[in-house]
Amino acid sequence: GENVGLHLPTLSVQEGDNSIINCAYSNSASDYFIWYKQESGKGPQFIIDIRSNMDKRQGQRVTVLLNKTVKHLSLQIAATQPGDSAVYFCAEILDTGRRALTFGSGTRLQVQP
Amino acid sequence: SAVISQKPSRDICQRGTSLTIQCQVDSQVTMMFWYRQQPGQSLTLIATANQGSEATYESGFVIDKFPISRPNLTFSTLTVSNMSPEDSSIYLCSGQTHNEQFFGPGTRLTVL
Repeated sequence: GENVGLHLPTLSVQEGDNSIINCAYSNSASDYFIWYKQESGKGPQFIIDIRSNMDKRQGQRVTVLLNKTVKHLSLQIAATQPGDSAVYFCAEILDTGRRALTFGSGTRLQVQP
Repeated sequence: SAVISQKPSRDICQRGTSLTIQCQVDSQVTMMFWYRQQPGQSLTLIATANQGSEATYESGFVIDKFPISRPNLTFSTLTVSNMSPEDSSIYLCSGQTHNEQFFGPGTRLTVL
């Protein structure tokens, strides 16, 4: 497969446990944040997003928390499954006109069966 | 959601040559972008592909090295010119509809 996540920090969890992936973002003016999942050999896949006027948003098995005071974003995955193994990136939108994404450094999630 | 395809999926090229990567979206998107992802790294924005006009490049990327075209709302090309081994990377295009940005599978480029 591709070398996605080869040099990234790794979070290893047991199947069925909850996972928490953290991200620090850079710009207090960012108004929109997204979590992406990238499997080996594929492009990033949208998971969940959150606007800066919210502090929590829930999806199916995933929750994103936003703490603007410390510029911190987290992704919580409930009942982690082997299929969740991937590299996870947070991204922020700095330029509200162009909507281009600035990506964080990423975390590799390994789910042990 | 939009489905994005890229061609080629991978290539091995000689130093000094150029490669053009094609990106096709199955529906109209408002914005298209090109990113680079070096091995084991995160994604870095190269440029915004503007329909019918010159692309908007990020700091550190220039048109002579990475010429981009976007002749319509569903298609864009990125050329990596005069390649060197440092250009070995995964190149990804993305398209945006409303607030969601979709990515292609990437083109893995190896320069010898």
